Amino acid sequence: DTAVSQTPKYLVTQMGNDKSIKCEQNLGHDTMYWYKQDSKKFLKIMFSYNNKELIINETVPNRFSPKSPDKAHLNLHINSLELGDSAVYFCASSQDGASEAFFGQGTRLTVV
Amino acid sequence: KQEVTQIPAALSVPEGENLVLNCSFTDSAIYNLQWFRQDPGKGLTSLLLIQSSQREQTSGRLNASLDKSSGRSTLYIAASQPGDSATYLCAFPDSGGGADGLTFGKGTHLIIQP
Repeated sequence: DTAVSQTPKYLVTQMGNDKSIKCEQNLGHDTMYWYKQDSKKFLKIMFSYNNKELIINETVPNRFSPKSPDKAHLNLHINSLELGDSAVYFCASSQDGASEAFFGQGTRLTVV
Repeated sequence: KQEVTQIPAALSVPEGENLVLNCSFTDSAIYNLQWFRQDPGKGLTSLLLIQSSQREQTSGRLNASLDKSSGRSTLYIAASQPGDSATYLCAFPDSGGGADGLTFGKGTHLIIQP
């Protein structure tokens, strides 16, 4: 069983569209995250979500919003997509900050 | 805010060599550090997690060390194999509780020549 799974793996869409990426973890972890890996392969935290507390990286545009229907899921919604949003987005989870983090396989988003 | 530097940025060595990847950080008040590998087009695979109270962790041919006082961690790979070719990343929780997620280095791109 995949510990952290995200769908879709690839997403190609036009500028201005709204899209969502889904993430599920079956590890029973309390905290989930979204990271963005840019074209230079640099990984940066976007959001963390724990017990209904959302922490947002200040550099993330408000077009991005995470939604957690339950503890095992943290979906990423993106409104009004822009060319610069093209990147690989990774979902991750951990029990807490002192614990090992596990990552999904990534979603490659291409905005055309 | 934690800053993480990985040296070298890229490394190419013949199969069978032992090698060391370096990771340095600016804030010694860390909770833990984690080493990952990322294969091209793939996600991140956790290799080792070292808690702040530990000095090293071993898993198979991998050994990671942590020296908080000098702000350094190393990942030692013994008897390298072509399958070890990947990008290796070190990361630290960005705040006391880790609620802000991990801060990553830019990685070391490793190529093991058959």
